[in-house]
Amino acid sequence: GENVEQHPSTLSVQEGDSAVIKCTYSDSASNYFPWYKQELGKRPQLIIDIRSNVGEKKDQRIAVTLNKTAKHFSLHITETQPEDSAVYFCAAKAVETSYDKVIFGPGTSLSVIP
Amino acid sequence: EPEVTQTPSHQVTQMGQEVILRCVPISNHLYFYWYRQILGQKVEFLVSFYNNEISEKSEIFDDQFSVERPDGSNFTLKIRSTKLEDSAMYFCASSERPKKETQYFGPGTRLLVL
Repeated sequence: GENVEQHPSTLSVQEGDSAVIKCTYSDSASNYFPWYKQELGKRPQLIIDIRSNVGEKKDQRIAVTLNKTAKHFSLHITETQPEDSAVYFCAAKAVETSYDKVIFGPGTSLSVIP
Repeated sequence: EPEVTQTPSHQVTQMGQEVILRCVPISNHLYFYWYRQILGQKVEFLVSFYNNEISEKSEIFDDQFSVERPDGSNFTLKIRSTKLEDSAMYFCASSERPKKETQYFGPGTRLLVL
């Protein structure tokens, strides 16, 4: 089955700096890659997603890149702010098969230091 | 904006007792899911449900677990005889139509088994 790995497990950055979180996946059938942000005690919130027919997607300060050949995808947050502090989960899903579950990575705890 | 809702927000139970966790998915969504998150760990898939039957389940979802859509709005997860290791946050999620990628999560029910 699919396995998603994520690095680093913790990340501290100064406010205004960039943060990069990297993930790898194992199942070549995966073709949808969402990123969720989870603040302490709250629900995972979808912040951005990318599909396999796209190599990069940007939404304001957040961007995702996907390398299907290498089975890597990354989240980039620019100009970080204290409210970006949270746990970020990457995930993978094979949309067109019978496997409709989302497989999550282990998470990255991001701390933005004012 | 419509959201997935869950009740109760917290549930404390004695080992061996039955618990029912309730979810109201987004109204036009057709696919429903349960996930769990043990404290400090990643979100894990339990089960997906479509057209009044389970479409996929994980190895975690054993005979102690069951799901039901008792009416047009609710989606429930029942744990028949709770164990200490069932203590976790349980998230319900829903998506718009079969194979539609984006899953929206509810706020979760924190279950504590004593």
